[in-house]
Amino acid sequence: GQNIDQPTEMTATEGAIVQINCTYQTSGFNGLFWYQQHAGEAPTFLSYNVLDGLEEKGRFSSFLSRSKGYSYLLLKELQMKDSASYLCAVRDRNAGNNRKLIWGLGTSLAVNP
Amino acid sequence: GAVVSQHPSWVICKSGTSVKIECRSLDFQATTMFWYRQFPKQSLMLMATSNEGSKATYEQGVEKDKFLINHASLTLSTLTVTSAHPEDSSFYICSAFLAGGQDTQYFGPGTRLTVL
Repeated sequence: GQNIDQPTEMTATEGAIVQINCTYQTSGFNGLFWYQQHAGEAPTFLSYNVLDGLEEKGRFSSFLSRSKGYSYLLLKELQMKDSASYLCAVRDRNAGNNRKLIWGLGTSLAVNP
Repeated sequence: GAVVSQHPSWVICKSGTSVKIECRSLDFQATTMFWYRQFPKQSLMLMATSNEGSKATYEQGVEKDKFLINHASLTLSTLTVTSAHPEDSSFYICSAFLAGGQDTQYFGPGTRLTVL
């Protein structure tokens, strides 16, 4: 089957670094996505990984290990505006529709001053 | 680039009426769009995959006769909630699939539906 796990909640301090982990189980892995969703708003795309390694984009980085079924999103120099839910999603080519994503439940990050 | 709009952003209607929500990809063509529903403090729930020029594919448990989807052009998909009831009150979000490279879904801003 398909399964995505990520922590429900995390807290961090402004200016610090936080790592949000995501583990997944799929039969036909074909890419992993991270999205940010502020309360009451739609998700916005943050990053995409399909090969092993680290993808860096400004203060945000995303890492993937396909052999371990593991990814993390790293947020540096945290700002108050980074308080949001972070969604991990995986594309599975065996899901019947190779364009839809399988979504984790999201990690709610609270950044404190 | 990759901008998706959704209209209306919020709507309040009486029980039993129908509500149409539009999703448009503004600067790219999308043969595939997705419709999601999200209840407060819960994760996204995929309702259906909207395919241009063909019938939508609904997820298990989603009533296709209640949630009508039409994807008549490469930039527009519509979701009509028919005979809405208070339990249909939710945040409805569409996404458009941008093919090529990362093959990413880009989301519209969402529509908050309240059924009285």
